[in-house]
Amino acid sequence: EDQVTQSPEALRLQEGESSSLNCSYTVSGLRGLFWYRQDPGKGPEFLFTLYSAGEEKEKERLKATLTKKESFLHITAPKPEDSATYLCAVHTGTASKLTFGTGTRLQVTL
Amino acid sequence: SAVISQKPSRDICQRGTSLTIQCQVDSQVTMMFWYRQQPGQSLTLIATANQGSEATYESGFVIDKFPISRPNLTFSTLTVSNMSPEDSSIYLCSVVGGQGASDTQYFGPGTRLTVL
Repeated sequence: EDQVTQSPEALRLQEGESSSLNCSYTVSGLRGLFWYRQDPGKGPEFLFTLYSAGEEKEKERLKATLTKKESFLHITAPKPEDSATYLCAVHTGTASKLTFGTGTRLQVTL
Repeated sequence: SAVISQKPSRDICQRGTSLTIQCQVDSQVTMMFWYRQQPGQSLTLIATANQGSEATYESGFVIDKFPISRPNLTFSTLTVSNMSPEDSSIYLCSVVGGQGASDTQYFGPGTRLTVL
């Protein structure tokens, strides 16, 4: 059974304090790893897809990387508007089914 | 990416009743999914809504409890039947295809359901 574990569960940063969120996975045949951002009361917002070890993608202050066992979401010089829950999900098998981790709640304070 | 809307955005229902949630997409999409997000938890896939055939349910979810319709490539409904307080969750639809990448799922805004 596919498993996705995210850490830490919660993270509090000061504005400008860079850090990384971790997503470790145990799957049979990874077809893609997805990062989403979810604000309270809203649906997940797509951020990145990573397909193979060594791949990196960037968007503003966010950078996602992938190895054979885990993915990191690096946040550089975060701002309060980056506060949200960040979800990681894996796509395996032939269907488009996603298995989600439990998320990291990020709070960025002034 | 596809623009997805859900109705209602939230509802408070009594135990034993049923609620039908609608999901509308602004373009034709190949695959639609329904997820549940219980309070403080992550997303769990309920079923894949197949156009023109019965939905495919995940382990732990059954058609009698969560009947799904998908009459065309832009619309689906999920019914939560004979509700109990344990059904209080956010229900989300997602789509693959349309104007987005071929394997990326895009999510609707969700329906927040409270069962008393």
